[in-house]
Amino acid sequence: DTGVSQNPRHKITKRGQNVTFRCDPISEHNRLYWYRQTLGQGPEFLTYFQNEAQLEKSRLLSDRFSAERPKGSFSTLEIQRTEQGDSAMYLCASSGPAGENTGELFFGEGSRLTVL
Amino acid sequence: GEDVEQSLFLSVREGDSSVINCTYTDSSSTYLYWYKQEPGAGLQLLTYIFSNMDMKQDQRLTVLLNKKDKHLSLRIADTQTGDSAIYFCAESHSSASKIIFGSGTRLSIRP
Repeated sequence: DTGVSQNPRHKITKRGQNVTFRCDPISEHNRLYWYRQTLGQGPEFLTYFQNEAQLEKSRLLSDRFSAERPKGSFSTLEIQRTEQGDSAMYLCASSGPAGENTGELFFGEGSRLTVL
Repeated sequence: GEDVEQSLFLSVREGDSSVINCTYTDSSSTYLYWYKQEPGAGLQLLTYIFSNMDMKQDQRLTVLLNKKDKHLSLRIADTQTGDSAIYFCAESHSSASKIIFGSGTRLSIRP
């Protein structure tokens, strides 16, 4: 296993279009997290899953954002009717049994969204 | 509320010690972390400390926790050019809950 994989790495879209990002976590990890990072800022929590259950969603997340993890493995993050303010790096991270004592997150390299 | 704050920049001379400071607001934070982000790479856990500890040392890294003041610091001894990165302070309530990150401190090394 090579780690957390995110696709696409970069997406350029026009305002108003929908975009979807995919995250494949480390295979034995049961928890999966989505974060958003803008330039000069730290990762901002969006949502997280334990297996297929979405346990928490940030209050800052608008209804245009939805995430799924249907089989408890990969996850998708969809942004509907994109706005220029959605431009950011979307980070996925996973955690599992090895991190149960520490909560360590393993991050992917991110999917960069540019909304024109 | 949950908030983690840290200074944005730190510049040190190669071979000196670097000290990166962080404050957090959530008194129920149980786990405190330092993550490192190198240019073009994902975040990686550098070290962590439990809230019932006040110090942790790991080779060149020393983490100090003042729980009363909600202050966390990371000291890097003998700073090298390879230590150039952004360092994020972070906290969580448990090993299975979300992690809240600070804005990051960019460490630059001068010769």
